[in-house]
Amino acid sequence: EVQLVESGGVLVQPGRSLRLSCAVSGFTLDDYAMHWVRQAPGKGLEWVSGISWKSGSIGYADSVKGRFTISRDNAKNSLYLQMNSLRAEDTALYYCTKDILITMSYYMDVWGKGTTVTVSS
Amino acid sequence: EIVLTQSPATLSLSPGERATLSCRASQSVSNNLAWYQQKPGQAPRLLIYDASSRATGAPARFSGSGSGTDFTLTISGLEPEDFAVYYCQQRSNPITFGQGTRLEIK
Repeated sequence: EVQLVESGGVLVQPGRSLRLSCAVSGFTLDDYAMHWVRQAPGKGLEWVSGISWKSGSIGYADSVKGRFTISRDNAKNSLYLQMNSLRAEDTALYYCTKDILITMSYYMDVWGKGTTVTVSS
Repeated sequence: EIVLTQSPATLSLSPGERATLSCRASQSVSNNLAWYQQKPGQAPRLLIYDASSRATGAPARFSGSGSGTDFTLTISGLEPEDFAVYYCQQRSNPITFGQGTRLEIK
């Protein structure tokens, strides 16, 4: 069964850092690009970042550029999101998602259940 | 940034009826558009990509059409499990989603 399991979401103070992880199973991570998408409480969806199969192509939303870093370890079947200088507006449920292609098509056909990040003092 | 505007915000229909959801882009996205379904407490699910290609596992009653700036998701013969929020998404950087259409039972 194809599965994405996010972890690392917690309550954190503004300005602090956090690292999210996504454990992948049921498919070969090398074969697909991956993304992070977030959803603030009661709001819509926002694409955060994406990474191609060998990390050769990486993209970020303007709202997180310079603060967040996406990475992947195909050998460990894992995707990561390093989040620095966190702000209240980063509060959201963060989804790990699988692209339908090895490069970034930005179409996402598998989603995890999400991990909640709350930024508050 | 390309803005996607979905209409209506809420659509009230009965099971068995046909649903027509609209997504309009602020500039042409060619056919680079997807539709997702999200049920309460669940992650979104890809239904349609490239405007009209049905994703693996998406029921045949879901169909997409359109190109350029105007797109439609049609659900022919609503099933009880179809009542949810639907989002459109375009894939020109920066990637953006519409604000969603809530499909509710009348």
